[in-house]
Amino acid sequence: EIVLTQSPGTLSLSPGERATLSCRASQSVSRSYLAWYQQKPGQAPRLLIFGASTRATGIPNKFSGSGSGTDFTLTISRLEPEDFAVYFCQQYGSSDSITFGQGTRLEIK
Amino acid sequence: EVQLVESGGALVQPGRSLRLSCVASGFTFDEYAMHWVRQAPGKGLEWVSGLSWNSATIVYADSVKGRFTISRDNARNSLYLQVDSLRAEDTAFYYCVRDRNLAAVGLFDYWGQGTLVTVSS
Repeated sequence: EIVLTQSPGTLSLSPGERATLSCRASQSVSRSYLAWYQQKPGQAPRLLIFGASTRATGIPNKFSGSGSGTDFTLTISRLEPEDFAVYFCQQYGSSDSITFGQGTRLEIK
Repeated sequence: EVQLVESGGALVQPGRSLRLSCVASGFTFDEYAMHWVRQAPGKGLEWVSGLSWNSATIVYADSVKGRFTISRDNARNSLYLQVDSLRAEDTAFYYCVRDRNLAAVGLFDYWGQGTLVTVSS
């Protein structure tokens, strides 16, 4: 099983700043089958990015994903108050490879 | 608008059973694989189980294999999870989730609001 490790655990930034979240896999992620989700308090997660870099429907272009192999990044440019949430990375592709990272909490500084 | 509405969560004693249900609307249900994903309060996400559009492929996480059974009724636009031999560590919100594909590859594009299962004596 591939283990996903997200860093940092908590990221404290101010509105208007740029956020860079990391997700590292214990083995290479096949075909860049890596997704990112956003979860706000009391809500279900929302798909942001899949295929490492493709934005899901309705996701603004301030969210961007990059990376391949074992190292992936989610970047959020120009943070707005509604962006402060918990972000999870996830690998997918087959039943023995559906795992999530532990999450990064993005909080207002 | 895609909607997934779960029900069936409850407070139950260890060793007991529950049946979780999810009713889907706003899309053609039998064109998508479906899954259950759970989240213990204040914790991370854990994929539980999934099945393809026609139930030909059914898969489980090792942590629930042999205790949980996933099924679907395409005529009723419904997904189910039979949870048996419940343990304290099964306490979580259980989300009904749509896969972006026919096959259960695990890319989750729509989530329900979740139903809470609490296992405690």
